[in-house]
Amino acid sequence: EVQLVESGGGLVKPGGSLRLSCAASGFTFSDAWMTWVRQAPGKGPEWVGRIKSKTDGGTADYAAHVQGRFTISRDDSKNTLYLQMNSLKTEDTAVYYCTDNYYYGVQGTLVTVSS
Amino acid sequence: DIQMTQSPSSLSASVGDRVIITCRASQSISSDLNWYQQKPGKGPKLLISSASNLRSGVPSRFSGSGSGTDFTLTISSLQPEDFATYYCQQRGYIFGQGTKLETK
Repeated sequence: EVQLVESGGGLVKPGGSLRLSCAASGFTFSDAWMTWVRQAPGKGPEWVGRIKSKTDGGTADYAAHVQGRFTISRDDSKNTLYLQMNSLKTEDTAVYYCTDNYYYGVQGTLVTVSS
Repeated sequence: DIQMTQSPSSLSASVGDRVIITCRASQSISSDLNWYQQKPGKGPKLLISSASNLRSGVPSRFSGSGSGTDFTLTISSLQPEDFATYYCQQRGYIFGQGTKLETK
């Protein structure tokens, strides 16, 4: 059974940084392209970015609104996906989910950017 | 960039009704389309992958069809637990705007 558990969210001031983690199990993580998605309160899900498997190059792509501020990385030895978020803005406030492009974490992790 | 247009944005229905939700891609995505159900406070739950593959554990009243640019999600006989918001997603990428299914 695929399990994805996000963590690392919290309250941060505008301009601050946060690193999210996603612990994966139930599938071959190293073979998977992994994606971060976020959902602002009362809104639909929004694609944030993805990282390819190392076999496919290991590169990451980002949505325009986070390009240059967010960085996705992975540690295949730990079956863990990361999202480093810098220069956070109030509009980054959302629940962040990781996905293997099929399954999502059950609850995500809430990031609140507020002064 | 590919856009996903989902309709309707909301739908009022009753238990036992047949419900159809449509999703249109701005360019062909072959069958690379997933359907999700989401309830408040929870992550999206995968119902259908590759446009028409019912995922394990999902009731057979759910079905998906389509390829290229036009896709549909059908619930053959609505059950009380089906009232939720439904999203299509080009696999791993762009979401439709969602369809909120409410009780009539």
